[in-house]
Amino acid sequence: DIVMTQSPDSLSVSLGERATINCKSSQSVLYSSNNKNYLAWFQQKPGQPPKLLIFWASTRESGVPDRFSGSGSGTDFTLTISSLQAEDVAVYYCQQYYSTPSTFGQGTKLEIK
Amino acid sequence: ELQVVESGGGLVQPGGSLRLSCAASGFTFSRHWMHWVRQAPGKGLVWVSRINGDGSSTSYADSVKGRFTISRDNAKNTLYLQMNSLRAEDTAVYYCVRWEVAGAFDIWGQGTMVTVSS
Repeated sequence: DIVMTQSPDSLSVSLGERATINCKSSQSVLYSSNNKNYLAWFQQKPGQPPKLLIFWASTRESGVPDRFSGSGSGTDFTLTISSLQAEDVAVYYCQQYYSTPSTFGQGTKLEIK
Repeated sequence: ELQVVESGGGLVQPGGSLRLSCAASGFTFSRHWMHWVRQAPGKGLVWVSRINGDGSSTSYADSVKGRFTISRDNAKNTLYLQMNSLRAEDTAVYYCVRWEVAGAFDIWGQGTMVTVSS
Protein backbone atom coordinates (compact mmCIF):
# COMPACT_ATOMS: atom_id res chain seq x y z
CA ASP A 1 0.00 0.00 0.00
CA ILE A 2 1.11 3.57 -0.65
CA VAL A 3 1.66 5.44 2.59
CA MET A 4 0.73 9.13 2.61
CA THR A 5 2.46 11.31 5.20
CA GLN A 6 1.37 14.87 5.83
CA SER A 7 3.27 17.61 7.61
CA PRO A 8 2.74 19.30 9.90
CA ASP A 9 0.08 17.53 11.97
CA SER A 10 -1.25 20.93 13.03
CA LEU A 11 -0.75 24.47 11.88
CA SER A 12 -1.62 27.85 13.34
CA VAL A 13 -1.71 30.78 10.91
CA SER A 14 -2.86 34.39 11.22
CA LEU A 15 -5.79 35.64 9.18
CA GLY A 16 -4.63 36.87 5.78
CA GLU A 17 -1.37 34.93 5.96
CA ARG A 18 -0.26 31.97 3.85
CA ALA A 19 -0.80 28.40 5.00
CA THR A 20 1.19 25.52 3.54
CA ILE A 21 0.54 21.82 4.05
CA ASN A 22 2.83 19.13 2.70
CA CYS A 23 2.08 15.58 1.63
CA LYS A 24 4.59 12.89 0.76
CA SER A 25 3.77 9.53 -0.80
CA SER A 26 5.86 6.40 -0.24
CA GLN A 27 5.98 5.85 -4.00
CA SER A 28 5.27 7.93 -7.05
CA VAL A 29 1.62 8.62 -7.89
CA LEU A 30 2.49 10.01 -11.31
CA TYR A 31 1.02 7.89 -14.08
CA SER A 32 3.47 8.15 -16.97
CA SER A 33 0.98 7.33 -19.75
CA ASN A 34 -1.07 10.49 -19.13
CA ASN A 35 1.39 12.52 -17.04
CA LYS A 36 -1.18 12.96 -14.29
CA ASN A 37 -0.54 12.83 -10.57
CA TYR A 38 -3.30 10.84 -8.88
CA LEU A 39 -3.36 13.08 -5.82
CA ALA A 40 -6.28 14.94 -4.26
CA TRP A 41 -6.79 17.31 -1.35
CA PHE A 42 -9.87 17.47 0.89
CA GLN A 43 -11.14 19.87 3.52
CA GLN A 44 -13.20 18.56 6.42
CA LYS A 45 -14.98 20.77 8.91
CA PRO A 46 -16.39 19.38 12.18
CA GLY A 47 -19.53 17.32 11.69
CA GLN A 48 -19.28 17.50 7.91
CA PRO A 49 -18.10 15.10 5.21
CA PRO A 50 -14.85 15.80 3.40
CA LYS A 51 -15.03 18.28 0.55
CA LEU A 52 -12.91 17.87 -2.57
CA LEU A 53 -10.65 20.89 -3.11
CA ILE A 54 -7.98 19.77 -5.57
CA PHE A 55 -7.55 16.78 -7.88
CA TRP A 56 -4.80 15.72 -10.30
CA ALA A 57 -2.56 17.45 -7.73
CA SER A 58 -3.26 20.95 -9.03
CA THR A 59 -6.75 21.16 -10.57
CA ARG A 60 -9.15 23.14 -8.43
CA GLU A 61 -12.63 21.67 -8.06
CA SER A 62 -15.47 23.84 -9.36
CA GLY A 63 -16.55 26.42 -6.80
CA VAL A 64 -13.38 26.22 -4.71
CA PRO A 65 -11.92 29.69 -4.02
CA ASP A 66 -8.75 30.49 -5.94
CA ARG A 67 -6.84 31.10 -2.72
CA PHE A 68 -6.52 27.31 -2.61
CA SER A 69 -3.82 25.84 -4.86
CA GLY A 70 -2.05 22.54 -5.20
CA SER A 71 1.40 21.77 -6.52
CA GLY A 72 3.98 19.04 -6.73
CA SER A 73 4.64 15.87 -8.68
CA GLY A 74 5.77 12.31 -8.16
CA THR A 75 5.99 11.89 -4.40
CA ASP A 76 5.95 15.42 -2.97
CA PHE A 77 2.92 17.67 -2.93
CA THR A 78 1.77 20.90 -1.35
CA LEU A 79 -1.56 22.53 -0.60
CA THR A 80 -1.32 26.29 -0.24
CA ILE A 81 -3.93 28.69 1.06
CA SER A 82 -2.68 32.07 -0.08
CA SER A 83 -4.60 34.26 2.37
CA LEU A 84 -6.21 32.45 5.27
CA GLN A 85 -9.85 33.18 5.97
CA ALA A 86 -11.75 32.30 9.14
CA GLU A 87 -13.88 29.76 7.25
CA ASP A 88 -10.74 27.81 6.27
CA VAL A 89 -10.37 26.39 9.78
CA ALA A 90 -10.63 22.64 9.18
CA VAL A 91 -8.69 19.42 8.88
CA TYR A 92 -7.06 18.88 5.50
CA TYR A 93 -6.30 15.48 3.98
CA CYS A 94 -4.32 14.40 0.96
CA GLN A 95 -5.27 11.22 -0.85
CA GLN A 96 -3.70 9.07 -3.54
CA TYR A 97 -5.95 7.34 -6.02
CA TYR A 98 -3.12 5.93 -8.13
CA SER A 99 -3.51 2.41 -6.80
CA THR A 100 -5.87 0.27 -4.75
CA PRO A 101 -6.24 0.65 -1.86
CA SER A 102 -6.62 4.37 -2.12
CA THR A 103 -4.94 5.88 0.93
CA PHE A 104 -5.19 9.14 2.84
CA GLY A 105 -2.74 11.17 4.83
CA GLN A 106 -3.29 11.39 8.58
CA GLY A 107 -4.70 14.92 8.31
CA THR A 108 -3.47 18.40 9.17
CA LYS A 109 -5.48 20.54 11.57
CA LEU A 110 -5.46 24.20 10.55
CA GLU A 111 -6.27 26.84 13.14
CA ILE A 112 -6.23 30.62 13.39
CA LYS A 113 -3.35 32.15 15.32
CA GLU B 1 -28.68 18.35 -7.44
CA LEU B 2 -25.94 15.77 -7.42
CA GLN B 3 -26.08 13.86 -4.15
CA VAL B 4 -25.71 10.58 -2.35
CA VAL B 5 -27.55 9.79 0.88
CA GLU B 6 -26.52 6.98 3.20
CA SER B 7 -28.77 5.06 5.56
CA GLY B 8 -28.78 1.88 7.60
CA GLY B 9 -26.31 2.69 10.33
CA GLY B 10 -26.95 1.97 13.99
CA LEU B 11 -25.86 0.10 17.09
CA VAL B 12 -24.99 -3.58 16.64
CA GLN B 13 -23.36 -6.16 18.89
CA PRO B 14 -19.96 -7.63 18.07
CA GLY B 15 -20.38 -10.46 15.60
CA GLY B 16 -23.56 -8.95 14.23
CA SER B 17 -24.51 -7.76 10.78
CA LEU B 18 -25.71 -4.54 9.21
CA ARG B 19 -26.49 -3.42 5.67
CA LEU B 20 -25.80 0.13 4.62
CA SER B 21 -27.52 1.74 1.67
CA CYS B 22 -26.62 4.76 -0.41
CA ALA B 23 -29.22 6.39 -2.64
CA ALA B 24 -27.80 8.39 -5.52
CA SER B 25 -29.55 11.14 -7.46
CA GLY B 26 -28.80 13.87 -9.95
CA PHE B 27 -26.36 11.86 -12.06
CA THR B 28 -26.18 8.71 -14.16
CA PHE B 29 -25.39 6.28 -11.37
CA SER B 30 -24.41 3.34 -13.56
CA ARG B 31 -21.58 5.29 -15.20
CA HIS B 32 -19.68 5.79 -11.98
CA TRP B 33 -17.52 3.62 -9.79
CA MET B 34 -18.59 4.02 -6.18
CA HIS B 35 -16.67 3.71 -2.93
CA TRP B 36 -17.19 3.39 0.79
CA VAL B 37 -14.84 5.33 3.06
CA ARG B 38 -15.03 5.25 6.85
CA GLN B 39 -13.89 7.47 9.66
CA ALA B 40 -13.63 6.27 13.25
CA PRO B 41 -14.51 8.87 15.90
CA GLY B 42 -11.77 11.50 16.04
CA LYS B 43 -9.67 9.67 13.47
CA GLY B 44 -8.76 9.99 9.81
CA LEU B 45 -10.26 8.71 6.58
CA VAL B 46 -9.90 5.07 5.59
CA TRP B 47 -10.93 3.58 2.27
CA VAL B 48 -13.11 0.48 2.67
CA SER B 49 -14.33 -0.79 -0.68
CA ARG B 50 -15.17 0.07 -4.28
CA ILE B 51 -17.31 -1.26 -7.09
CA ASN B 52 -17.26 -0.53 -10.82
CA GLY B 53 -20.19 0.78 -12.81
CA ASP B 54 -21.88 -2.49 -13.72
CA GLY B 55 -21.02 -4.25 -10.48
CA SER B 56 -18.74 -6.83 -12.08
CA SER B 57 -15.58 -5.77 -10.26
CA THR B 58 -15.07 -5.09 -6.55
CA SER B 59 -12.18 -4.44 -4.21
CA TYR B 60 -11.80 -4.35 -0.42
CA ALA B 61 -9.45 -3.14 2.26
CA ASP B 62 -7.65 -6.04 3.92
CA SER B 63 -9.30 -5.15 7.23
CA VAL B 64 -12.78 -5.95 5.88
CA LYS B 65 -12.06 -8.57 3.23
CA GLY B 66 -14.21 -11.65 3.72
CA ARG B 67 -16.59 -9.83 6.07
CA PHE B 68 -17.97 -6.96 3.97
CA THR B 69 -19.64 -7.13 0.56
CA ILE B 70 -20.21 -4.18 -1.70
CA SER B 71 -22.95 -4.30 -4.32
CA ARG B 72 -25.18 -2.04 -6.35
CA ASP B 73 -28.60 -1.95 -7.98
CA ASN B 74 -28.37 0.41 -10.95
CA ALA B 75 -32.10 0.17 -11.57
CA LYS B 76 -32.64 1.64 -8.11
CA ASN B 77 -29.60 3.98 -8.19
CA THR B 78 -28.49 2.45 -4.92
CA LEU B 79 -25.18 1.27 -3.50
CA TYR B 80 -24.96 -1.22 -0.64
CA LEU B 81 -22.46 -2.41 1.92
CA GLN B 82 -23.29 -5.68 3.67
CA MET B 83 -21.25 -5.87 6.85
CA ASN B 84 -20.98 -9.20 8.68
CA SER B 85 -18.96 -10.38 11.68
CA LEU B 86 -18.72 -6.82 12.91
CA ARG B 87 -16.00 -5.87 15.36
CA ALA B 88 -15.54 -2.94 17.73
CA GLU B 89 -12.90 -1.54 15.37
CA ASP B 90 -15.52 -1.22 12.62
CA THR B 91 -17.15 1.56 14.62
CA ALA B 92 -17.10 4.61 12.36
CA VAL B 93 -19.01 6.98 10.16
CA TYR B 94 -19.38 5.33 6.77
CA TYR B 95 -19.37 7.59 3.73
CA CYS B 96 -20.64 6.73 0.28
CA VAL B 97 -18.47 8.43 -2.34
CA ARG B 98 -18.72 8.89 -6.09
CA TRP B 99 -15.61 8.44 -8.21
CA GLU B 100 -15.47 10.82 -11.15
CA VAL B 101 -12.98 9.43 -13.63
CA ALA B 102 -12.16 12.91 -14.90
CA GLY B 103 -11.48 13.98 -11.35
CA ALA B 104 -11.48 12.12 -8.09
CA PHE B 105 -13.73 11.30 -5.14
CA ASP B 106 -15.98 14.24 -5.83
CA ILE B 107 -19.36 13.62 -4.17
CA TRP B 108 -19.62 12.50 -0.54
CA GLY B 109 -22.71 11.75 1.46
CA GLN B 110 -23.28 13.01 5.00
CA GLY B 111 -22.35 9.59 6.32
CA THR B 112 -24.08 7.02 8.50
CA MET B 113 -22.77 6.06 11.93
CA VAL B 114 -22.12 2.42 12.75
CA THR B 115 -21.43 1.55 16.39
CA VAL B 116 -20.32 -1.96 17.29
CA SER B 117 -20.66 -2.49 21.02
CA SER B 118 -22.19 -4.85 23.53
